[in-house]
Order: sequence, then C-alpha cells, then structure tokens
Amino acid sequence: EIVLTQSPGTLSLSPGERATLSCGTSQSVSSSYLAWYQQKPGQAPRLLIYDASSRATGIPDRFSGSGSGTDFTLTISRLEPEDSAVYYCHQYASSPRTFGQGTKVEIK
Amino acid sequence: EVQLVESGGGLVQPGGSLRLSCAASGFAFSRYAMTWVRQAPGKGLEWVSHISGSGGSTYYADSVKGRFTISRDSSKTTLYLQMNSLRAEDTAVYYCAKDVRIAVADAFDIWGQGTRVTVSS
Repeated sequence: EIVLTQSPGTLSLSPGERATLSCGTSQSVSSSYLAWYQQKPGQAPRLLIYDASSRATGIPDRFSGSGSGTDFTLTISRLEPEDSAVYYCHQYASSPRTFGQGTKVEIK
Repeated sequence: EVQLVESGGGLVQPGGSLRLSCAASGFAFSRYAMTWVRQAPGKGLEWVSHISGSGGSTYYADSVKGRFTISRDSSKTTLYLQMNSLRAEDTAVYYCAKDVRIAVADAFDIWGQGTRVTVSS
C-alpha cells in the first residue's frame, strides 16, 4: 500500500499570499497518477488537479500541481477567502488507492 | 447535468446490514468506473471499493473485504454497496464518485452529496 504524507498539517495565510502544500508518497507513483481535492465543511470533495498537474474542469488557474515520483506539490498562487478548506492528495496508480491525511488551509 | 445521488444510509446495529445506492445521470454510466469513498466523523477520506465500467472487475479495501460488495446496474444507471456484518468503525459518510476518464485508473471528478451510515446499538 502506498502511504501518502501531507505537510504541513495546517497552513494559516492571508489573502493574496501563496500557499504551498506537499504530498510525499512511500513509493513512486507511476504515471504521476496523483490528484488533489478540496473539501469544505459539510461538502463533498471537489477535484482540483489530476495526473499531478492537469487542472480539472472549471478550476481557476491560481491552482496548480507539480511533481513526480514520490514528491508532489499543490500551489495556490494568490489565496482568496473561499480557498479556506482541507486539501487532500490521492494516488490512483495502485490498489488500494489511498489518500493523504489532509492539509487545512486557514485564511487570516 | 452530471449528477450522483446517494441514498440508503441510516442507523444500524453492529452486525447488521445496509445497502447504499448511488443514482447516476447526465453521462454514459456504463462506460465509467465508479468508486465508493467514506469519511468517518472528523477524519479524512478512505477509499472503500471500486468497480469497472462493465462491472467485471471489483476491488476492496482490506478493512471491508469479505463484508462489503460493490455492484452496478446499467439499466438503472445505479451503483450499489451492500454492507454486511457492520461494525462501529464503519460509521461514516459514504460518497460515490465517478472516474474522470474511461481508463483503468483515474481520479474522481464527480461526487455525490454523501449518505451517512451510523453503526451503533
């Protein structure tokens, strides 16, 4: 099983600042089959990025993904108040598919 | 509009059974693999089970293997999760989700609103 470890646990930043979220995997993720989701309280997760760097339909370009192998990053270039949420990474390269434990982004 | 709507959750005693349904609309249901993901109260996301578009291949998390069964009915465009021998640790919101592409492995671009399952005496 591929274990995903996200850091930091919580990120507290001001509007307009840049957020950098990390996801490390215990084994190399083949074909960069890694995704990022945003989840707000009481809502279902929303796909932001798939295949490590492809933005999902309708996702603003301030969200970007990068990385390969065992190190992946989600960057939010200019934080907006509505970006306050928990962000999860997810690998779908091998079964069982696994999720990271989440990074909470707080907007000051 | 592409949509997934779950139903069937509720309160059940330990050892009991429940069947969740996920009604799909707005896309070619039989062509896409589907997945169940759950989220225990205050916790993160946990992948539960996955089924291919044809229904011929199924996969399960070790935590539910032998107790849960995933299936689909293309004529009703509905995904199911039969849950037997339920335990307190199965308490969670259960989401169904659709693969982004018609592929073997993929992320999930459409999610249902979730259905809550509580296992308690």
